[in-house]
Amino acid sequence: SQQGEEDPQALSIQEGENATMNCSYKTSINNLQWYRQNSGRGLVHLILIRSNEREKHSGRLRVTLDTSKKSSSLLITASRAADTASYFCATDNRGAGSYQLTFGKGTKLSVIP
Amino acid sequence: KAGVTQTPRYLIKTRGQQVTLSCSPISGHRSVSWYQQTPGQGLQFLFEYFSETQRNKGNFPGRFSGRQFSNSRSEMNVSTLELGDSALYLCASSLGLAGTLAKNIQYFGAGTRLSVL
Repeated sequence: SQQGEEDPQALSIQEGENATMNCSYKTSINNLQWYRQNSGRGLVHLILIRSNEREKHSGRLRVTLDTSKKSSSLLITASRAADTASYFCATDNRGAGSYQLTFGKGTKLSVIP
Repeated sequence: KAGVTQTPRYLIKTRGQQVTLSCSPISGHRSVSWYQQTPGQGLQFLFEYFSETQRNKGNFPGRFSGRQFSNSRSEMNVSTLELGDSALYLCASSLGLAGTLAKNIQYFGAGTRLSVL
């Protein structure tokens, strides 16, 4: 079953603009991660935010986490055509000994040059 | 360091056949997870292996099975293929070590695209 739900499902912006994607989840988590997937390929890990963190930065990426609302957002600043991909949030709500990530359905981002 | 390698990249089978997919994790990674990705259901967790033991299993029928070898390489088998098994199958490896968040970062292969006719 899907834990995270990304919104919007698709986003189209001009190069240089900022892109914001949101993710909501249902149960308590240990951490939340964002992954990128280029068309039909494997996923690439972007950033991990712990449940006790509120904001994290990595290069042009900024992730926020609001555990009271069970939501997270990914902001990509100054987007480039190479950022065109699908973006997934994944929650780690493991019990002891379990390393399952539960992914949302993703946001498809198109950056127009 | 070489990444996660999945073979084959593409596969075409007919209903009723069985298929075996292979995954070689990053050197030193002991955890291997498998996911199925379809347009309708998205990414769904199949199972995770650590040190040759299945540690976690998703909600898939028994036709889906896997195993892990002593060198951490993993195989996934689907028997009696159905049309709905057509999907991109992704393998991911991680350290799987207790006490560090690094264990939670998964490194994905490029996937095996399975088409069932």
